[in-house]
Amino acid sequence: QKEVEQDPGPLSVPEGAIVSLNCTYSNSAFQYFMWYRQYSRKGPELLMYTYSSGNKEDGRFTAQVDKSSKYISLFIRDSQPSDSATYLCAMSAGGYQKVTFGTGTKLQVIP
Amino acid sequence: NAGVTQTPKFQVLKTGQSMTLQCAQDMNHNSMYWYRQDPGMGLRLIYYSASEGTTDKGEVPNGYNVSRLNKREFSLRLESAAPSQTSVYFCASSEQGLDIQYFGAGTRLSVL
Repeated sequence: QKEVEQDPGPLSVPEGAIVSLNCTYSNSAFQYFMWYRQYSRKGPELLMYTYSSGNKEDGRFTAQVDKSSKYISLFIRDSQPSDSATYLCAMSAGGYQKVTFGTGTKLQVIP
Repeated sequence: NAGVTQTPKFQVLKTGQSMTLQCAQDMNHNSMYWYRQDPGMGLRLIYYSASEGTTDKGEVPNGYNVSRLNKREFSLRLESAAPSQTSVYFCASSEQGLDIQYFGAGTRLSVL
């Protein structure tokens, strides 16, 4: 079993839809959680960064962490064609521990 | 502000050839990383350098060597390329002890 599981998709939604992307993990030591966005043929770029459980909102993006269920989510409101990309979750125990990445979910927002 | 710069962007090698992938960052970060990204496998850590003068193996180090040339530069060398090393390679950097990593645009390598 992988330490971090992420549905690879692809996920196709119409423009304006609310998108929910999710990851589950098995390592209870993880306490730092990140979402990266990766456009085709580009490097990943940090989208959201959260510590421990709770919600964090940044514009149309909301990150949720439920440590009791070992489950994290990224919500995108009013999705746009420019949101079409692969979204990678990532997590770490902190300090000098390595970051573990999910395999990514490919999202396509149809105009 | 360039961030993390990788060269070359594309490369085709024959089995057994060697090459060095270059990476430089201008954010004064202490830590640097090399990953490979393969379909269905996600990002896998090859080697990392927590600070200038130190390097450590990651998850998939076999067939690779690295050099932390100075604080800015971290190179990845393939001594004898194999088809299994066909992949997209990403360099990243972070402030020491923090988890937010900044990535370069990647090098697409094909080994025939």
